[in-house]
Amino acid sequence: GQNIDQPTEMTATEGAIVQINCTYQTSGFNGLFWYQQHAGEAPTFLSYNVLDGLEEKGRFSSFLSRSKGYSYLLLKELQMKDSASYLCAVVDYGQNFVFGPGTRLSVLP
Amino acid sequence: DSGVTQTPKHLITATGQRVTLRCSPRSGDLSVYWYQQSLDQGLQFLIQYYNGEERAKGNILERFSAQQFPDLHSELNLSSLELGDSALYFCASSAGSGGGGEKLFFGSGTQLSVL
Repeated sequence: GQNIDQPTEMTATEGAIVQINCTYQTSGFNGLFWYQQHAGEAPTFLSYNVLDGLEEKGRFSSFLSRSKGYSYLLLKELQMKDSASYLCAVVDYGQNFVFGPGTRLSVLP
Repeated sequence: DSGVTQTPKHLITATGQRVTLRCSPRSGDLSVYWYQQSLDQGLQFLIQYYNGEERAKGNILERFSAQQFPDLHSELNLSSLELGDSALYFCASSAGSGGGGEKLFFGSGTQLSVL
């Protein structure tokens, strides 16, 4: 079966750093995506990992360990506009996107 | 703007009715995906079409059906609607059949309310 776990909610302070974890057990692995979704809006692409290691893109970084079935999204210098849900999605061997439940992040002043 | 167009943005209807949601993918994209997102829940995959053919099927109810037309736009038909069908329905598109790091680009969604 397909199973992706993320914390339901997280809270952090403006200017701080937050790490959002994602663990997965899927029918094969062909890459992992992170998407950001503001309430009532469309998800937008943040990052993609297919090999182990860290991918850095400005204030956002994403890490992958395939052997552990684990990824995290690191957000630095948090801003109020970063308050959103963050969705982890794994592409399985059938090339299907499997989305996790999402983590709702609240950034407080 | 992702380039994916969904209409209508909002739809209010009654139980037992039938509705059609429409999606135009980004220019050049061959795949269209449909997702359902209920309140405070994750994205549930319904179905994918690639170049006019059904490619993958998720947890799509028998009351729901979809198709992709020769111009690559897609329609999702929901019939015998129930209260529990109230949700945000997203369409997404990708360049190819999926995989290989292809990103999904999402439309702004159709908010369906069944009363």
